[in-house]
Amino acid sequence: EVQLVESGGGLVQPGGSLRLSCAASGFTVSSNYMSWVRQAPGKGLEWVSVIYSGGSTYYADSVKGRFTISRDNSKNTLYLQMNSLRAEDTAVYYCARGYSTRPFDYWGQGTLVTVSS
Amino acid sequence: NFMLTQPHSVSESPGKTVTISCTRSSGSIASNYVQWYQQRPGSSPTTVIYEDNQRPSGVPDRFSGSIDSSSNSASLTISGLKTEDEADYYCQSYDSSNHGWVFGGGTKLTVL
Repeated sequence: EVQLVESGGGLVQPGGSLRLSCAASGFTVSSNYMSWVRQAPGKGLEWVSVIYSGGSTYYADSVKGRFTISRDNSKNTLYLQMNSLRAEDTAVYYCARGYSTRPFDYWGQGTLVTVSS
Repeated sequence: NFMLTQPHSVSESPGKTVTISCTRSSGSIASNYVQWYQQRPGSSPTTVIYEDNQRPSGVPDRFSGSIDSSSNSASLTISGLKTEDEADYYCQSYDSSNHGWVFGGGTKLTVL
């Protein structure tokens, strides 16, 4: 059974950093493409970043230069390093598995990041 | 870059049929597959339609998807509405200009 479990969210001050983790089971992270998607409180979904099986990474313009996606194959875990955080980064962050033409076929339960002083 | 525009909300009675539209602002709707996601309150999104009109296993055939090149839009149709269908629905497609994905703003479906 495919499972994705995010962790690492919390309260951080503007300008601070946070690293999110997404532990996967039931499949191999490095064999699929994996994304982070976020949802601000009461708002819609926003794609944040993707890492492909070959290692290529891409980012939404809103986070480019501040966020870094990576994975640890030995731990079958996806990460999102978030630096220079802003109030507008406050959201629930979901990790999602991509498979073939389905970019988000499994989602985690999400982890809340709150950027506030 | 392009945007996907959805109605903010729709409502319909149980047993009826509702259609949610998703209009692409630029570029052809047919150039990249459209997916639809259902998100119930407090839950993560789940896929109800992929590749424009395909249903994942477990999604009832009351859910169907289509695209219309003349209006440059995609549509999600839910027939035989049930109260459990009440949720937010998001369309989504690929943006090759930035190697990422675009979501519509979401449509709140109320079944009353």
